[in-house]
Amino acid sequence: DQQVKQNSPSLSVQEGRISILNCDYTNSMFDYFLWYKKYPAEGPTFLISISSIKDKNEDGRFTVFLNKSAKHLSLHIVPSQPGDSAVYFCAASAAYGKLTFGQGTILTVHP
Amino acid sequence: KAGVTQTPRYLIKTRGQQVTLSCSPISGHRSVSWYQQTPGQGLQFLFEYFSETQRNKGNFPGRFSGRQFSNSRSEMNVSTLELGDSALYLCASSLLAGTSGYNEQFFGPGTRLTVL
Repeated sequence: DQQVKQNSPSLSVQEGRISILNCDYTNSMFDYFLWYKKYPAEGPTFLISISSIKDKNEDGRFTVFLNKSAKHLSLHIVPSQPGDSAVYFCAASAAYGKLTFGQGTILTVHP
Repeated sequence: KAGVTQTPRYLIKTRGQQVTLSCSPISGHRSVSWYQQTPGQGLQFLFEYFSETQRNKGNFPGRFSGRQFSNSRSEMNVSTLELGDSALYLCASSLLAGTSGYNEQFFGPGTRLTVL
């Protein structure tokens, strides 16, 4: 039972444009959501998070939107840069120390 | 501030052996979580420790175990290794004890385990 889903395995974007990565979840007990970026052979790097009491959180070029009624969150990267090319994971939390991850989306930003 | 460190970075074992992986959290972090990453299953939660107590456990067999020491360092052990245990094992630490509302975890580089 996959409680967190990233339905797009990959996304290709031109440098300078917006990247939108999407994530859906099924467990209504999730109350905290996070996005991580990962390069091969490295651990995930924390990007941005959002509590379920908010619907938007911004940090520089990264903005996360949460739609609780639709059980959907998205990560917007504006403007996209070639260095943003990586695998992006969304994760959700409902219990101590436990994150449930989506399968990841490979983002490629072309110069 | 130093990040999460994991040792060893790479490990090759044969079926039936056991292995112990080590994780040192960020200074001041008291919660340590472990994850397994495989191509087929993605990132899956193994267990979490806080103040030397396991607070949460994922759906893994009893061959997977862990512990945390008083200095917050953690180890995980896998006994009777199987081919399917080949994976990247990631450790993450978190500052706040607490409720799931504040659970930003910071990951180490992982230990790549290969079982032959």
